[in-house]
Amino acid sequence: GNSVTQMEGPVTLSEEAFLTINCTYTATGYPSLFWYVQYPGEGLQLLLKATKADDKGSNKGFEATYRKETTSFHLEKGSVQVSDSAVYFCALTPPGNQFYFGTGTSLTVIP
Amino acid sequence: DTAVSQTPKYLVTQMGNDKSIKCEQNLGHDTMYWYKQDSKKFLKIMFSYNNKELIINETVPNRFSPKSPDKAHLNLHINSLELGDSAVYFCASSLAGRGGYTFGSGTRLTVV
Repeated sequence: GNSVTQMEGPVTLSEEAFLTINCTYTATGYPSLFWYVQYPGEGLQLLLKATKADDKGSNKGFEATYRKETTSFHLEKGSVQVSDSAVYFCALTPPGNQFYFGTGTSLTVIP
Repeated sequence: DTAVSQTPKYLVTQMGNDKSIKCEQNLGHDTMYWYKQDSKKFLKIMFSYNNKELIINETVPNRFSPKSPDKAHLNLHINSLELGDSAVYFCASSLAGRGGYTFGSGTRLTVV
């Protein structure tokens, strides 16, 4: 079956700290992988994506690499800002099918 | 020119009432979804329509009934509201076979 497992939060970091949010998946076939971000009081926004093995998605200083051998898509950022405080969702979609979301990881960045 | 718009943004109602949430997308997508997000931020898919046809109908009470008058609209009607229905409901759309959902900003439903 298809599923996504994210590290549990909440995560609290100081500004300029390094961020890693772990995401592993199980999937049939060759899924596309995504990270979505939800800022307080808003809907989910696509942050980055990767559609095949070894692809690296990047946006706003965030990066994630599609690792087929470890079935992982960990989200990283070298230096977080207060404005990065949000809930982050890892997700996958098998070709043509619905999304499978992780449980979300809440990140709070303190000045 | 909001891509996926939901109305209302907030809805407070009493137990037992019937209410509807509307969703419209102007992206030309052919698939639309309803998700429920609980207080712990967990997202659960409820329904999915592709070109006005129901393709995903997860285990939700039959008090919830989706309606898609055309592929740009997907409304959610809820009968006999219960306290446990309180949540944020998100509409989303996509092009089938291509990755990437676009989400609406959510409807916060509070049942009192």
